[in-house]
Amino acid sequence: AQTVTQSQPEMSVQEAETVTLSCTYDTSESDYYLFWYKQPPSRQMILVIRQEAYKQQNATENRFSVNFQKAAKSFSLKISDSQLGDAAMYFCAYKDNDMRFGAGTRLTVKP
Amino acid sequence: KAGVTQTPRYLIKTRGQQVTLSCSPISGHRSVSWYQQTPGQGLQFLFEYFSETQRNKGNFPGRFSGRQFSNSRSEMNVSTLELGDSALYLCASSFGGHSRTDTQYFGPGTRLTVL
Repeated sequence: AQTVTQSQPEMSVQEAETVTLSCTYDTSESDYYLFWYKQPPSRQMILVIRQEAYKQQNATENRFSVNFQKAAKSFSLKISDSQLGDAAMYFCAYKDNDMRFGAGTRLTVKP
Repeated sequence: KAGVTQTPRYLIKTRGQQVTLSCSPISGHRSVSWYQQTPGQGLQFLFEYFSETQRNKGNFPGRFSGRQFSNSRSEMNVSTLELGDSALYLCASSFGGHSRTDTQYFGPGTRLTVL
């Protein structure tokens, strides 16, 4: 079974600084998708960014970018110029036929 | 375009009762997936419905069931509730055309408390 591991239960970053959240996964598939979702205290899960496994180019969405290392099965999220509104739980997810989530990383942004 | 809606937002039940949760997907989305979120187990996949048929199923007991209607709205039912069923139940919708390439969009969740 595919597993997703987020080794950092909590992370903290100073406003305007950069932070990287780690994610590794285990799969024998070659075709899959990876996602980062954000869940603010209001609870609604929001898609942050996604990466197709067959694309070598790392995905970027404004201040959010990923470092996708397929051979290492690693998919980290970098948040640049952190803002107070970035404070949330961040979930890494793997998808082929169904979705598997990591345990999440709670990000705190300090003013 | 309206997002995924879930009703009710909060629910309190007692052990042994049954409960039905509802999810209305984004217009045009034909796939609805259900997840259970708890502090101890995290996010766990329950099942996915596409065009009124269950397409995928997670590792949950038969007390958890679902269905999807012709308008893509979905309901999830839990029978004989147990204390451990207390959780946030999340619904996510997607176009569903090709499961691996789909992106899921989540609703706000239903908070179920079993006493």
